[in-house]
Formats: sequence, structure tokens, C-alpha cells
Amino acid sequence: AQKITQTQPGMFVQEKEAVTLDCTYDTSDPSYGLFWYKQPSSGEMIFLIYQGSYDQQNATEGRYSLNFQKARKSANLVISASQLGDSAMYFCAMTHQGAQKLVFGQGTRLTINP
Amino acid sequence: GAVVSQHPSRVICKSGTSVKIECRSLDFQATTMFWYRQFPKQSLMLMATSNEGSKATYEQGVEKDKFLINHASLTLSTLTVTSAHPEDSSFYICSARDPGRPRGTDTQYFGPGTRLTVL
Repeated sequence: AQKITQTQPGMFVQEKEAVTLDCTYDTSDPSYGLFWYKQPSSGEMIFLIYQGSYDQQNATEGRYSLNFQKARKSANLVISASQLGDSAMYFCAMTHQGAQKLVFGQGTRLTINP
Repeated sequence: GAVVSQHPSRVICKSGTSVKIECRSLDFQATTMFWYRQFPKQSLMLMATSNEGSKATYEQGVEKDKFLINHASLTLSTLTVTSAHPEDSSFYICSARDPGRPRGTDTQYFGPGTRLTVL
């Protein structure tokens, strides 16, 4: 079975600093997708970034990058130059070959301090 | 692109009544949509996979007779919570895949969610 683990229930970071949110995963499938979503207090789930298991390079989307270490089964999200608006819950998730459904981690609440 | 809407955003109902929640993909066609449930301070739990033109696939432990799902068109899926009780109060959120996206074709895009309160 697929499993996602986020070990940081909460993080506090100073504005403009970079922040890394941890995510490890467990799967026996060779083909899978890894995702990060942001959930502000309004509740909507905002897609941030995607990494395919066969992608050779780490994914980047603006200030977001995914530090993909396949051998360690980790997919950490790095946010550069954090902003106050980055304060939210962040969820790591994965899909695997043959299944479309997402499995989510427990989430990390990120708070950016001015 | 890849916009998913949900209606209503918030609903309060009496115990024993039924509530219908709509999920629409606005700028793409979605043969598959997903319904999730989220309790306060918890992660999202998949309830069911909604397939256009066929029966939904429910996750283990989800009562299909209580949570009726209909996916009548390529842009609309509905979730009906039948005979709602206070324990059904939760945040319900749908998602859809946009197979037309060039990268990450299994990326799911989420609606804004519906907060259901059953009195």
C-alpha cells in the first residue's frame, strides 16, 4: 500500500527566508506521481507542483521546487523567499501506476512571521 | 485553465434531510472526478471515485447508500448526502483530472469545497 508521511505538524519561518517541508513516501510501484498542495484557511486545495517518478530533474514552479531523492523516497518542498501569504497547510500526496486516486500525508501547517 | 467549481460553498441543514453538492469542471472535460472528506485539522480522505456514465467506486467504509454519487456528464458530478446526521458534518471537496494538461497528466484540480453542518 502507498503511504505518505509528513513529520512536521507545524513550522514557523521568518518572512523572506527559505523553507523546506518534508515528505517521505512508501510504494513498491516503479511508476508514481508526487504532488504538493497548499490549503489556506479558506479550504481550497491549490496545486503547487508535480514530480513524476521517472523525471530526471527536480520539478520547479516559480518559488516552489521539489527536492526529489528517489533512493531515499523523499519529495521535500522548498519555498524560496517566503511571503506572508504562504501561511497555510501544505499537503504532500501521491498517485501510483494504475490508480488515479491521491493518497495524502497528514499535512504541515506553515506560519510565516513578519 | 483547470478550474473546478463546487456549489454550494456552505450549507446548514436539519438532521434527516438530504443535501446535494455539485462539482463542475469549467474549462475541461473530466471523465473521472473524486470526492473527499476532511474533518477539522485532519487530512483529506478519499470517499469515492466518480466515473462518467457508470457507477461510482467507493472506498472501504464509505456507505454508498448514504453518499449517492451521480456523474451524468463530462463536466458535472453530484454528491448527495442522504438522511444527514450531525456526524456527517464535515468539509466535502471534489477534484477532477485534466488529461489535456501536458505535464503531470494525473494532476488533480480541486474545487473550493463545501462545508456541511447538520443540526
